[in-house]
Amino acid sequence: DAKTTQPPSMDCAEGRAANLPCNHSTISGNEYVYWYRQIHSQGPQYIIHGLKNNETNEMASLIITEDRKSSTLILPHATLRDTAVYYCIVRVAGGTSYGKLTFGQGTILTVHP
Amino acid sequence: GAGVSQSPSNKVTEKGKDVELRCDPISGHTALYWYRQRLGQGLEFLIYFQGNSAPDKSGLPSDRFSAERTGESVSTLTIQRTQQEDSAVYLCASSLSDRRSEKLFFGSGTQLSVL
Repeated sequence: DAKTTQPPSMDCAEGRAANLPCNHSTISGNEYVYWYRQIHSQGPQYIIHGLKNNETNEMASLIITEDRKSSTLILPHATLRDTAVYYCIVRVAGGTSYGKLTFGQGTILTVHP
Repeated sequence: GAGVSQSPSNKVTEKGKDVELRCDPISGHTALYWYRQRLGQGLEFLIYFQGNSAPDKSGLPSDRFSAERTGESVSTLTIQRTQQEDSAVYLCASSLSDRRSEKLFFGSGTQLSVL
């Protein structure tokens, strides 16, 4: 799996958009970008994933650059409950290492009033 | 239930004792995973079950660790002769068998403390 780089921490004001960057400059053509988050004392929660097109669901939007070397997770209206560690993971879908997600240190997002 | 259920939520044991951790996956999910998370660290993959296929045990750290799964339902993770370094949160996840999307659903974990 390609290596990812995320800032260790970010702050965001409640109600504002939270934009979490992820660098994955060594990503290969068949690797997807996944985002999970982990709220304190809970298991990780899937947020969104994409290959090359921008994606949006009820939780967030994922913007992937045209060269696919970086992406941004956008929480459009952050709430206090969005305070969590956010993990960016790059994976080959259905590969032999299926299910062996590697969660690094992630970005600690703190949403403040 | 609607989500992945793990029990117990907390387990305190003495060094050298055996422990069993239980996971009830989401109904209909054929894939089941165990991970370990030490304090302040990321997740470590332990083992993966997919249907009736042989499990992928490549992440188990030692032969003191084993896991079983009954059909496509409950799984138990057993740690024999526990050591202090086994202290961690043990997380279970399940997913549909669609290999195009690794959308895992995690339980809240079992906090294991070995004294």
